[in-house]
Formats: sequence, structure tokens, C-alpha cells
Amino acid sequence: QVQLQESGPGLVKPSQTLSLTCTVSGGSISSGDYYWSWIRQPPGKGLEWIGYIYHSGSTYYNPSLKSRVTISVDTSKNQFSLMLTSMTAADTAVYFCARDAGGYNLHDYWGQGTLVTVSS
Amino acid sequence: QSALTQPASVSGSPGQSITISCTGTSSDVGGYNHVSWYQQYPGKAPKLMIYDVTNRPSGVSNRFSGSKSGNTASLTISGLQAEDEADYYCSSYTSISSLVFGGGTKLTVL
Repeated sequence: QVQLQESGPGLVKPSQTLSLTCTVSGGSISSGDYYWSWIRQPPGKGLEWIGYIYHSGSTYYNPSLKSRVTISVDTSKNQFSLMLTSMTAADTAVYFCARDAGGYNLHDYWGQGTLVTVSS
Repeated sequence: QSALTQPASVSGSPGQSITISCTGTSSDVGGYNHVSWYQQYPGKAPKLMIYDVTNRPSGVSNRFSGSKSGNTASLTISGLQAEDEADYYCSSYTSISSLVFGGGTKLTVL
């Protein structure tokens, strides 16, 4: 059974950079035709896709966030990571990592999510 | 890219059927058969209910079904049960190799 677990700071100051890591267990991040996504949800609002990465390192980002986002993968640690720069209060959200089977919008496994608050 | 359009809320009585619509454009919903639906309970991660417009993952009740016509996809829940009360999100692959979600629909079982 594949499991995903997000980790990172729960509080970030405005203008700082957010760094989150998703650790995958129960399967290799390098095997199969899977893309590894970051998705966020502001409190009381809907889901927003941030982007995903293939184990080869190919990345695809939400155009509205592309200038501030970097997603990377560390296959040796079975992890992938999110960096989001120039954080503002509007970036306050629960951040989920998830597996997309095939890269065509089939998120079959999700992490529990981690709340990131942007505040001074 | 703009979010897909869903009704903010729908409701139904136990045993009834309800349908949630999801409207996009020819660059997303209308252009690809890669529409998914997710169910989310408060404080929980979303759960995949439908993928590729009509397919159900193993373990998902056959009371859930999906369809698409033009730029609008739909999720139908038949035989409504109290446990179906949740938020539902549609999502689509897009022409610029990205994914886009709908704004979400709150389902209330009366």
C-alpha cells in the first residue's frame, strides 16, 4: 500500500520561501508511469493544482504559480519536494502531495495534508 | 487557466439521485477524456471517485457514475446515502499539460 507523508514548517513569514517534502513509502518513486503532484487548499476554499514531477525530473506547473514554484525529486530518498517563493497570506493553505497515475489527472494516493500559515 | 465551474451546493433526500455538473472549455473538459471526480470530507484528503470521465477505481460504489457532453462533465450519485454528504471536486487535464480543478460542490443529504 502506497503512503505519502508531507513534512515541513507550519508557519512561514511573508516574503520567505516555503519548502515542503513528501516522503513516499510502500513503493518506489522511480517505478511505473507515475507523476508526483503538489495540490493545495486554502481554508474553506477549493483545491488548486500546483504542479507535478516525473521521476526523470520532468516538471509541469500551474501557469499562475509557475514563476514562484520549483518541484524536485530525490529518488535515493524516495522523496519529492516543493519550493514556493515570495510567500504571502494568500498562500496560506493545506498542502497535499499525491500520486498521479499516468499524469492525466488520476490522483489515486494522497498524503494527509499539512497546514502552512503565512504570518509575521 | 480558469477553474472549472461547479454549482456551490446540491442537495437530495436519501434514496434519490443527484447530478453535479462541471463546465469547462474545449481546452480542458471538452478536449480530453481525462476528467476526474474527488470526494472530500472535512479535514480529510480527497478521494478519487471517477477518472477518465466514466471509470470507477476499485472499491468505489457503483452508485457513482460519470459522463460528459461537450464542455460539461457530470457526476451522478444514485441511491443517495447519508455517508455521501461531502464536498465534490471535478478536475481535468488541459491543453497546456496542466491540471485544473473545479470550485467544489457541497452535497447535503436531507
